[in-house]
Amino acid sequence: NAGVTQTPKFQVLKTGQSMTLQCAQDMNHEYMSWYRQDPGMGLRLIHYSVGAGITDQGEVPNGYNVSRSTTEDFPLRLLSAAPSQTSVYFCASRSGVEKLFFGSGTQLSVL
Amino acid sequence: AQSVTQLDSHVSVSEGTPVLLRCNYSSSYSPSLFWYVQHPNKGLQLLLKYTSAATLVKGINGFEAEFKKSETSFHLTKPSAHMSDAAEYFCVVSDGGTSYDKVIFGPGTSLSVIP
Repeated sequence: NAGVTQTPKFQVLKTGQSMTLQCAQDMNHEYMSWYRQDPGMGLRLIHYSVGAGITDQGEVPNGYNVSRSTTEDFPLRLLSAAPSQTSVYFCASRSGVEKLFFGSGTQLSVL
Repeated sequence: AQSVTQLDSHVSVSEGTPVLLRCNYSSSYSPSLFWYVQHPNKGLQLLLKYTSAATLVKGINGFEAEFKKSETSFHLTKPSAHMSDAAEYFCVVSDGGTSYDKVIFGPGTSLSVIP
């Protein structure tokens, strides 16, 4: 049972480049979400999904796209990276009102 | 929409003294509330959760929190701090009681423990 698998662990981009952060879970969780963590700001919700085909914006959605074609996968796309998107990104999932299960994080630097 | 305020960005206590980390929330419904801890360069770990059962919730490592609806608060306490408690603590709220509710983190409180 792998839990939440998040890739890559590290990524360096140039301004304007695009990339996709991958997230997969094998626990059949309906709820999946993406956060970014910046010093002094906690984890801020980017986008979330409550099931396949259903996504919604979180607190800081601008510059990011998501889709949920299957229960297992919830990729996060940066269409045109900006230095302000330098952060640590976490994918998380949960069942019902239980705790969140987190991926190991992606450290992203945009130069 | 739900939100979380953590009243102190940094708290410093001496080893063996009580810990109080304050959290106030805003929620349109009956919220679920959580406290998570993150040690340096580590992942997030659930300390405890409130989901409309007992208002005094006991968690791991001697921590507990009390849900006070009238004050919209969910403060985290521990009777005696240990050096290993030094970490970042996050108060977390989820509106309502279903899996369809987004989960919002507070900005965090950094706890230092002085020997």
